[in-house]
Amino acid sequence: DQQVKQNSPSLSVQEGRISILNCDYTNSMFDYFLWYKKYPAEGPTFLISISSIKDKNEDGRFTVFLNKSAKHLSLHIVPSQPGDSAVYFCAAIAGSYQLTFGKGTKLSVIP
Amino acid sequence: DAGVIQSPRHEVTEMGQEVTLRCKPISGHDYLFWYRQTMMRGLELLIYFNNNVPIDDSGMPEDRFSAKMPNASFSNLKIQPSEPRDSAVYFCASSKGVSGAFFGQGTRLTVV
Repeated sequence: DQQVKQNSPSLSVQEGRISILNCDYTNSMFDYFLWYKKYPAEGPTFLISISSIKDKNEDGRFTVFLNKSAKHLSLHIVPSQPGDSAVYFCAAIAGSYQLTFGKGTKLSVIP
Repeated sequence: DAGVIQSPRHEVTEMGQEVTLRCKPISGHDYLFWYRQTMMRGLELLIYFNNNVPIDDSGMPEDRFSAKMPNASFSNLKIQPSEPRDSAVYFCASSKGVSGAFFGQGTRLTVV
């Protein structure tokens, strides 16, 4: 049973527009959430995170929103750039440092 | 620091052979994770260590899989005997706290 779900396997966005990647989770014990970005033939790289005590965290063009009541988080990229094209993984931690990942969403930013 | 280093980058082996994947974590990190990525299941945690001690190996699929961390700068994942369904990309990651695990570039394993 997937505790972290990314229901959109792919997303295409025009350059300059906003990209919104969504993630849902089922385990109410998750208290820390992370987004990773992965290029082909490379390992995932950490992008941005948010603690469950916050509802928003911003880092440059990247903003993560957390809605605990809906068990939902999203990653916004504004403006989207062709270099943002990659697979984005949502991950969550419950207490320990064991990351549980979603299956990823492939983002394509079209020039 | 060069980051998490995994070797080999690619491994092709015949069914039944032993496979050893290696990982050097980032110096100073006290957590080490082994993940497997497949199309069907995404990124799955196989096992993780804290201060060289295995903490949770519930993700290890079968007894054919084993992992060790003899010291803070090295870990290996062994599959013996290997099977075609073990074909996947295996990632090692390390972390210190919840700042976010750093991943290696992965080992693409193909068992024929």
